[in-house]
Amino acid sequence: DGGITQSPKYLFRKEGQNVTLSCEQNLNHDAMYWYRQDPGQGLRLIYYSQIVNDFQKGDIAEGYSVSREKKESFPLTVTSAQKNPTAFYLCASEENPGRGEAFFGQGTRLTVV
Amino acid sequence: AQSVTQLGSHVSVSEGALVLLRCNYSSSVPPYLFWYVQYPNQGLQLLLKYTSAATLVKGINGFEAEFKKSETSFHLTKPSAHMSDAAEYFCAVSDRSGGFKTIFGAGTRLFVKA
Repeated sequence: DGGITQSPKYLFRKEGQNVTLSCEQNLNHDAMYWYRQDPGQGLRLIYYSQIVNDFQKGDIAEGYSVSREKKESFPLTVTSAQKNPTAFYLCASEENPGRGEAFFGQGTRLTVV
Repeated sequence: AQSVTQLGSHVSVSEGALVLLRCNYSSSVPPYLFWYVQYPNQGLQLLLKYTSAATLVKGINGFEAEFKKSETSFHLTKPSAHMSDAAEYFCAVSDRSGGFKTIFGAGTRLFVKA
C-alpha cells in the first residue's frame, strides 16, 4: 500500500541533544513537508521540499534542519538550538503542491526530558 | 496573504444532530480550500476539497462544504452526527498563484454526546 511512514511514533530527547525524525513515502510525490503541531495552533510549516536536493524554509525553521537526498525520504533533525521542541511533528507529501490532496504520516510525538 | 479562521475551538453536538464547523478564509486570488480530519495521535486525512468546480462539495463520511465567495466562507456540515465523528477538524487554504504553501486553521475539536 502507498503511503507515508514516520518513525518513531514517540521520541524522548534530553536537553542539548540533536534528534532526527524519519519520513519515508512510496507515493512517488515530488513535494514533501514538515509541520509542527501544538495544541490550539494548527499546523505550522517548518520546511518543505519540491524536488530532490532542494528544500526551503517554512515559517518556523529556526532550530531545525532537513535533507532531501532521495525522492522518497525527507528526514527532519531537531537541533539543540530549538528552544521548545516538545510537540507533535507531521510529515506530508503532495503530488500537486498546494492544489490537491496532502497525504500525512501518523506523526512523531517528541518530548524533551 | 492567505489566512484561515476557524470559529470555535470546540464544538459539541448530540448524536444525530447537525454538525456545523465554520471556516472563513482570506486570499488575494481564487483559492483552493480543504477540510481535513485528525483523530487522536494520528495524521490528517482529507475530507473534501474545493478547486473551483461545484460550489457544494461532497466528501467522505457524509460531510459536505459550501464555498461562498461573497462571504469568504467554506463551512463544513453533516446532517446527522455519529459518535465516530468526534475528532479535530482543520480548514486549509492554498492559492493558485503557483505557491507551494497550504495555510491551516487552528482547528476545531468536535465532541459528540450520546
